[in-house]
Order: sequence, then structure tokens, then C-alpha cells
Amino acid sequence: GNSVTQMEGPVTLSEEAFLTINCTYTATGYPSLFWYVQYPGEGLQLLLKATKADDKGSNKGFEATYRKETTSFHLEKGSVQVSDSAVYFCALTKTQGGSEKLVFGKGTKLTVNP
Amino acid sequence: SQTIHQWPATLVQPVGSPLSLECTVEGTSNPNLYWYRQAAGRGLQLLFYSVGIGQISSEVPQNLSASRPQDRQFILSSKKLLLSDSGFYLCAWRRFGDSYEQYFGPGTRLTVT
Repeated sequence: GNSVTQMEGPVTLSEEAFLTINCTYTATGYPSLFWYVQYPGEGLQLLLKATKADDKGSNKGFEATYRKETTSFHLEKGSVQVSDSAVYFCALTKTQGGSEKLVFGKGTKLTVNP
Repeated sequence: SQTIHQWPATLVQPVGSPLSLECTVEGTSNPNLYWYRQAAGRGLQLLFYSVGIGQISSEVPQNLSASRPQDRQFILSSKKLLLSDSGFYLCAWRRFGDSYEQYFGPGTRLTVT
């Protein structure tokens, strides 16, 4: 079945450093891929998405490209800020019982120090 | 625009007591609705989902149940809480149709003592 593997971290960076959080997936068919962000004590927010191979999702300086050949959807940001400190979840769609669901990775905690 | 509400925001309940968490969505019709649980330091576990009024699918057999009495209302319940029910409960909705992203509520922090 569809599944997601992402680096568990935690990841600690200094402000303005380059960020990569790896995400790889296994899936049948052509799932849509997502990155969500969760700030402390809050729900998840959709950060970006990609719906087909070679699509690049981007938002707030974050980017991820849907790579079918490597089954990957790595999250990148060129210069992180303290306000980016959060937990990041990679997710993909899964069709089961006629309903579309999301399968989430275990999350990667990012801490950015000033 | 669409908004999703959850209440209460925090809850402390003794073992063996009942539970009722409520989720409501505004600004959309016939959404798919989801309940997730997030245990401390762990990922998200899908508990229930619903594609319409009265239609509930359970992902994991456990001490909880869900109901959808109205189109935009989703309720998570338990008759007798266990210590292992502690966690952060998240409700989410998805627009009916081809868009697959889910939008999450602010969550309810449940501590069972």
C-alpha cells in the first residue's frame, strides 16, 4: 500500500541556513503529494502540494518537486528563519474503500536558532 | 471562506469518564470529514472518516466512536476513557470532488488522568 518515509530528525539549523527534509514514498498509481507544517500547540497547515510528476509546489520560500523516477518529494528552503521552527509532515493520497485519504510520514521537527 | 472549529481546546478527564469532542465546518457543503489522533512525539493516526451524514468508517478498532449528525458536524465520543486515549485530537475536512488536500482544525488536547 501507499506509504511515506521521511527523515525523523530532529533537525537543528542556524538562521539563514539551507534546509532539506527528505521524503520518499511508495505508491500504486499516481498519488498527490503534500507537505504540512505544525507549529507548537496548533493543528496542521497545508504548506504546499504537487499533483503530478515534475510538478513543483512552492509557498513561503519552501519548495518541493514531485520526482517520480526517485519516488521523492524533498522539502527545501534556501534561508530558514526562527519562525520556521515547527514539525513538518510529508503526506500522499491513498484511495481505499472509494474514499481518498492521506497517509502521513512521522514528522520532522525543525528548530532554527538565531 | 471555509473555517473549521473544534472544542473544547483542552480537556482533562479521569479514567472511566465519557468523552465528547465536537468539530464543525463552515463555508462548504458535503465535505469529507476526518478524526486523527496525535500521541506525544508521534505522527498522525487516522481514527474515523465520513463521506456523508450518518456514514462513518473506522480505521482502527478501539475505545472511541464517531458520529455525523449534520452535514458539517463531526463528533468523537467514548463511553469510558482509558489512559491511552490521551493525545491531541485533530479534525480535518476535504472538499467534495477532485481536490485531495485536507484542512485541519486547531485540535483538542485531551489528558486522561
